[in-house]
Amino acid sequence: EPEVTQTPSHQVTQMGQEVILRCVPISNHLYFYWYRQILGQKVEFLVSFYNNEISEKSEIFDDQFSVERPDGSNFTLKIRSTKLEDSAMYFCASSVGRVRPLHFGNGTRLTVT
Amino acid sequence: AQRVTQPEKLLSVFKGAPVELKCNYSYSGSPELFWYVQYSRQRLQLLLRHISRESIKGFTADLNKGETSFHLKKPFAQEEDSAMYYCALVTGNQFYFGTGTSLTVIP
Repeated sequence: EPEVTQTPSHQVTQMGQEVILRCVPISNHLYFYWYRQILGQKVEFLVSFYNNEISEKSEIFDDQFSVERPDGSNFTLKIRSTKLEDSAMYFCASSVGRVRPLHFGNGTRLTVT
Repeated sequence: AQRVTQPEKLLSVFKGAPVELKCNYSYSGSPELFWYVQYSRQRLQLLLRHISRESIKGFTADLNKGETSFHLKKPFAQEEDSAMYYCALVTGNQFYFGTGTSLTVIP
């Protein structure tokens, strides 16, 4: 069964540094998402992406965040200048269309020191 | 606004006992609801969607619009059911997840 893959599984970075989290969605999926989960808290929506543009974003997704689908297979989340409070598990997800369900990757644990 | 509430953070049951994981939602339109499960160190996986009205791994969930609930039930819990369970509500193009319930099935 095809899966959403995320790399790296764990990323440690210093405050103020830029990080790029990578995701390869399922190949025939058209909608892509990033979610995050701060330790002990709920899974929170960050952004959805369709047709090479952001379709929705939450208030968490401020100017420090950006997403890109650079080559038709990867879907990346960039945090320009990381803050301590960005430490969380970041999940990529994709779906075949507005018809759900979401398929999640294993997540990238981001630790900002 | 809190759209999905899972009141129990932790739930422990004995193997073979019935289990019910509670989920309540707030949404004025027609809800689209899911249950996702996360086994230890694995990804979030779809368990159930309310429109399918199916039973997966012995679990069922019925949408009760009057009580705005979508509780997950299983008549006889198994050890392999131990996991984190998330209820999710879809509105527009966004999934709203509850805070999750950690289920432990005691052998």
